[in-house]
Amino acid sequence: GDSVTQMEGPVTLSEEAFLTINCTYTATGYPSLFWYVQYPGEGLQLLLKATKADDKGSNKGFEATYRKETTSFHLEKGSVQVSDSAVYFCALSEGRDDKIIFGKGTRLHILP
Amino acid sequence: ETGVTQTPRHLVMGMTNKKSLKCEQHLGHNAMYWYKQSAKKPLELMFVYNFKEQTENNSVPSRFSPECPNSSHLFLHLHTLQPEDSALYLCASSQGDRDTEAFFGQGTRLTVV
Repeated sequence: GDSVTQMEGPVTLSEEAFLTINCTYTATGYPSLFWYVQYPGEGLQLLLKATKADDKGSNKGFEATYRKETTSFHLEKGSVQVSDSAVYFCALSEGRDDKIIFGKGTRLHILP
Repeated sequence: ETGVTQTPRHLVMGMTNKKSLKCEQHLGHNAMYWYKQSAKKPLELMFVYNFKEQTENNSVPSRFSPECPNSSHLFLHLHTLQPEDSALYLCASSQGDRDTEAFFGQGTRLTVV
C-alpha cells in the first residue's frame, strides 16, 4: 500500500540555519504531495503542495520539489526562525478512497 | 481559522462516562475524517465519511462510534473508554480528490481518568 517515510526527529537547529527535512514515498499511482505544519496546541495546516512531477511548492520561505525519479519531496528553508518551531508532516493523496496518507511527523526546535 | 470547528477543545471523562465530540465544516467539502494523535502513533486515521457514507473504519474499537448526519457535521460518540484512549482527536475535511488539501480543526484534547 501507499506510505510516507520522513526523517525521525527531533531536529534542533540554531536560528538562521539551513533546514532540510527528508520525505520519501511509495505509491501505486501518481499522487499529489503535501507538507503540513502543526504548531503547539493547534491542528495541522497546509504549508505547501505539489501536484505533478518537477513542481515546486513554496510558502513562508519553505520549498519542496516533487521528484518522481527518487520518489521524494524534501522540505527546505534557507534561514529558519524561532517561530518555525513546530511538527512537520509529509503526506500524499492519490484521490482514491478519500485517503490522505501521512508520515509520522518531524518535530523541529529552533534555538535563538 | 481553518473553517473546521471542533468542540469541546478539552474534555476530561471517567471510564464509565458517555460523551460526544463534535466537528463542523461549512467549506462545502464532501469528505470528513477523524484522526487520533498520541505520542505512540503520531497521526492515526480512524474514520472517513464521504457524502455521509462511511468509507473507512480503520479497525477502531467499538467504544468509538462515529455519526455523520449531514455533509457538514461529524460526531464521535465515546463510551467506556480506557486511559490509553487519552489523546488529541482531530477532525478534518476535504474535497476528497487528489489535488486538494485537507483542512483540520484545532482538535479536542481528551483525558480519560
